[in-house]
Amino acid sequence: AQKITQTQPGMFVQEKEAVTLDCTYDTSDQSYGLFWYKQPSSGEMIFLIYQGSYDEQNATEGRYSLNFQKARKSANLVISASQLGDSAMYFCAMSRPINDYKLSFGAGTTVTVRA
Amino acid sequence: DTGVSQDPRHKITKRGQNVTFRCDPISEHNRLYWYRQTLGQGPEFLTYFQNEAQLEKSRLLSDRFSAERPKGSFSTLEIQRTEQGDSAMYLCASSSAGSGTHHSGANVLTFGAGSRLTVL
Repeated sequence: AQKITQTQPGMFVQEKEAVTLDCTYDTSDQSYGLFWYKQPSSGEMIFLIYQGSYDEQNATEGRYSLNFQKARKSANLVISASQLGDSAMYFCAMSRPINDYKLSFGAGTTVTVRA
Repeated sequence: DTGVSQDPRHKITKRGQNVTFRCDPISEHNRLYWYRQTLGQGPEFLTYFQNEAQLEKSRLLSDRFSAERPKGSFSTLEIQRTEQGDSAMYLCASSSAGSGTHHSGANVLTFGAGSRLTVL
């Protein structure tokens, strides 16, 4: 069974600083997709970034980048120049195979941005 | 289109009562999903529709749960004879089959804000 592990239950970061959220995954498949979602207190899951297992370059979307280390099976999210509005829960998720309709989520990491 | 809508946002019910949640997906999306999220956990997959066909149901979806998408547009999730263990956030999501909605072609799910169920 596929498994997503997020080891950091909560993190504090100073405004304007960068923060890295850890995500490791467990699969023996070669084809998979990795996603990061943000869930503010309002409850809506907001898509941030995607990395396919065959992508050789790390994905970037604005202030978000994904540090994809395939051999280590890790897909860490880096948020640069943190803003107060970044305070939320962040979830790593995987689809297997790469374009499967079903996502498996980790337990999430709470990020609190301090002014 | 304003995204995925869910109703009600909050529902408090007594054990043994039936509840129904509604989801209105993004209009051009033919795929619809239900997930359940308990406190402190990530969402867990419940079921998936492509158009009006329910193509997969998780083993988490007991016989007390039923989901429908009668005309391939909105969907309902009904829970009969609710139990305290059903207390959770029920999230609906939608996506577009084929090319997906992301520039990479990934099947990116757009989620609603969820329906929070409290069973007393």
